[in-house]
Amino acid sequence: KAGVTQTPRYLIKTRGQQVTLSCSPISGHRSVSWYQQTPGQGLQFLFEYFSETQRNKGNFPGRFSGRQFSNSRSEMNVSTLELGDSALYLCASSLEGSTGRLAKNIQYFGAGTRLSVL
Amino acid sequence: SQKIEQNSEALNIQEGKTATLTCNYTNYSPAYLQWYRQDPGRGPVFLLLIRENEKEKRKERLKVTFDTTLKQSLFHITASQPADSATYLCALPDQTGANNLFFGTGTRLTVIP
Repeated sequence: KAGVTQTPRYLIKTRGQQVTLSCSPISGHRSVSWYQQTPGQGLQFLFEYFSETQRNKGNFPGRFSGRQFSNSRSEMNVSTLELGDSALYLCASSLEGSTGRLAKNIQYFGAGTRLSVL
Repeated sequence: SQKIEQNSEALNIQEGKTATLTCNYTNYSPAYLQWYRQDPGRGPVFLLLIRENEKEKRKERLKVTFDTTLKQSLFHITASQPADSATYLCALPDQTGANNLFFGTGTRLTVIP
């Protein structure tokens, strides 16, 4: 089975621009989550999609948005880029759709998109 | 709010020794805890999951313990090898019950030949 694929791998943008990142989950996985990773803050949760619906959202401004398509592929968009948005953006898919104490929620990560904002 | 601390940012160890990494959490009683490995320029890779009713879990040279009283998990790599050098992350489920993980900042392990 192919793993999680993220495109592009690297991206350079300037302040004020917007960017769209793409993620193709493992076949059969319906849950897709996005994380931002920076040296200072570590891995921080952005949002999770399941069956084309945003199920959960982290503590990020509205400039960060996403969507999921019927084939479970997901995109993440950041508008009006700021210097502080420079980070590694990771997408993860999960087979588990369930939540709560019996869930396992093992996340399978892509290699990430390295975004640099100049 | 939930908080995770991994005991040290970096750990150096001699090849062949046992590496022990610590993950402490507060304000929460998670149903399970996970450990991931991350190599530079790559996404994290799942290693082990341990549930609240399990004291210990093993996988090859890896061993994880989970002490819900101390709110602590220990991650051991026995007979460490240079190929074990990586950053190791512990992760808890979101305390709201949502389907996302809350990660520690990680411990960068270097195994010296």
